[in-house]
Amino acid sequence: AQSVAQPEDQVNVAEGNPLTVKCTYSVSGNPYLFWYVQYPNRGLQFLLKYITGDNLVKGSYGFEAEFNKSQTSFHLKKPSALVSDSALYFCAVRDDNYGQNFVFGPGTRLSVLP
Amino acid sequence: DAGVIQSPRHEVTEMGQEVTLRCKPISGHNSLFWYRQTMMRGLELLIYFNNNVPIDDSGMPEDRFSAKMPNASFSTLKIQPSEPRDSAVYFCASRAAANYGYTFGSGTRLTVV
Repeated sequence: AQSVAQPEDQVNVAEGNPLTVKCTYSVSGNPYLFWYVQYPNRGLQFLLKYITGDNLVKGSYGFEAEFNKSQTSFHLKKPSALVSDSALYFCAVRDDNYGQNFVFGPGTRLSVLP
Repeated sequence: DAGVIQSPRHEVTEMGQEVTLRCKPISGHNSLFWYRQTMMRGLELLIYFNNNVPIDDSGMPEDRFSAKMPNASFSTLKIQPSEPRDSAVYFCASRAAANYGYTFGSGTRLTVV
């Protein structure tokens, strides 16, 4: 079965510093990996995805993520954090052996401090 | 494109009443998902449809919950009777194809008192 772990409930980073939000996954087939962001009182918004190809994926708002097959990870990164990046971030995976729906991680709350 | 449209945005109801949440997916998207979000449990998949057909409803918590998709442009999630523990934010999402991301609606915040 497919599963996703986000080991940190909360990540704090100073504005201008690089940020990383961690995600690890478990699948039996090939993983399709996604990151979503949720701002207060809003629905989830798509940031980026990895399906195949280059391991480094670039997405919206300057975010990027690196697919690491050996470590089964898909960490979200940004070189320079903004206060407006403060939100809840969800990693999601679809296992192509297990149908079409995603499994979402529990979410990581990112706080960027001015 | 107006995105995924959910109504109402907020619903406050008394325990025992019937609640109906509505969703209009993006035109052309063939999959629709209902999720529930709470602080305790995070984001839970309740049910999803492909081409208007329910594929997996194993996440529906109990028989009080039911979902329908009578056509490609409309879906409902009904709770009857509602209970305080049903209080949550309910999201609808749609997707164009299996390798695409979801587009989420803004959610319905349900409070059952």
